[in-house]
Amino acid sequence: DAGVTQSPTHLIKTRGQQVTLRCSPKSGHDTVSWYQQALGQGPQFIFQYYEEEERQRGNFPDRFSGHQFPNYSSELNVNALLLGDSALYLCASSFGWSQETQYFGPGTRLLVL
Amino acid sequence: EDQVTQSPEALRLQEGESSSLNCSYTVSGLRGLFWYRQDPGKGPEFLFTLYSAGEEKEKERLKATLTKKESFLHITAPKPEDSATYLCAARWNTGFQKLVFGTGTRLLVSP
Repeated sequence: DAGVTQSPTHLIKTRGQQVTLRCSPKSGHDTVSWYQQALGQGPQFIFQYYEEEERQRGNFPDRFSGHQFPNYSSELNVNALLLGDSALYLCASSFGWSQETQYFGPGTRLLVL
Repeated sequence: EDQVTQSPEALRLQEGESSSLNCSYTVSGLRGLFWYRQDPGKGPEFLFTLYSAGEEKEKERLKATLTKKESFLHITAPKPEDSATYLCAARWNTGFQKLVFGTGTRLLVSP
């Protein structure tokens, strides 16, 4: 049973650039959530996608955007990168809008120089 | 604003020395309390979901409990491989699917 997968594992960008991170949900799951985790902190909710629409959003600026594809995979895009965007970006999947438990992928480590 | 607070920030135990981690949360409208384990540089691994006061769940040396105002993760006779950061997260009626995490407890178990 394939778990949540994310790519790439690591990424280095410079300020002002744009980045796209990818996520494939666990088999049988159709809902994808994205989180940002700074060093030494707990994950912070960015947004969630269900049925190819953004259903809920956390306190992140519009520079953070996303997409969900018909096969339930998802992308996180960040424009105009800032040094403070350096973090571990986590994707979590679950089944259905009301399913409680979210399962996380290994994350993408983004470093902005 | 709905919040989750974990204590202690860090805990050092000898192998076999049992202890408990604490998670307190905004009580009103709680719709689920979650425990995850996270190893350095990896994604959180799901451990338990608790929904109502008095509920308990166990897995190997770990037991999670929920009261009306806090949750505990009890670790019985820990082993070095239990060393990790343990994260508590919660969801509320007003937050829909959004999970709010605490900052975690870093557990180190020495042989």
